[in-house]
Amino acid sequence: EAGVVQSPRYKIIEKKQPVAFWCNPISGHNTLYWYRQNLGQGPELLIRYENEEAVDDSQLPKDRFSAERLKGVDSTLKIQPAELGDSAVYLCASSLDTGARGEYGYTFGSGTRLTVV
Amino acid sequence: GDSVTQMEGPVTLSEEAFLTINCTYTATGYPSLFWYVQYPGEGLQLLLKATKADDKGSNKGFEATYRKETTSFHLEKGSVQVSDSAVYFCALMTQGGSEKLVFGKGTKLTVNP
Repeated sequence: EAGVVQSPRYKIIEKKQPVAFWCNPISGHNTLYWYRQNLGQGPELLIRYENEEAVDDSQLPKDRFSAERLKGVDSTLKIQPAELGDSAVYLCASSLDTGARGEYGYTFGSGTRLTVV
Repeated sequence: GDSVTQMEGPVTLSEEAFLTINCTYTATGYPSLFWYVQYPGEGLQLLLKATKADDKGSNKGFEATYRKETTSFHLEKGSVQVSDSAVYFCALMTQGGSEKLVFGKGTKLTVNP
């Protein structure tokens, strides 16, 4: 079974340019998360989806970040325009429904390393 | 809010040495606790977990015990290998409707031959 698939693995862009990241979760996982991991830090949640609905986007900088999860499967995270401080690894994760997460945790993808120059 | 504090790294050990990485947490209620590992160039992998007080999680020779009285979940391994070199993250899962994984800052472990 394939794990959580993310693309691209690496992205280098100039500041003020747009960028998008894609995530395909594990089949059957209704919950999808986007995390940001700054260098030398632990991951921090940006947004959580339950199927198509964004149920927690309180940490998403909505002035420049947006996300969507059409049909409750794949998801895209977008930054427009990118700033130097957005350089980080963007991780996607998925999990089973409520009640099972505490038992199994999340499954993470390999991440997209974004460098803004 | 809920938070996780890990010992500062980096940690450098010789092969077959004993490993301890300290982790303490602050949370309301009774969170589930996890250790994740991140090998160079890879994503986070679940290493072990514990869901209630006094539970011991174990995997690949690593162990951690959920200590409610000291709000701790220290990671231990009796004899590390070069292949254990990675960054280790302690995390808790909050309870309730907004449950989410909250991570510590990570501890980088380097094991030398």
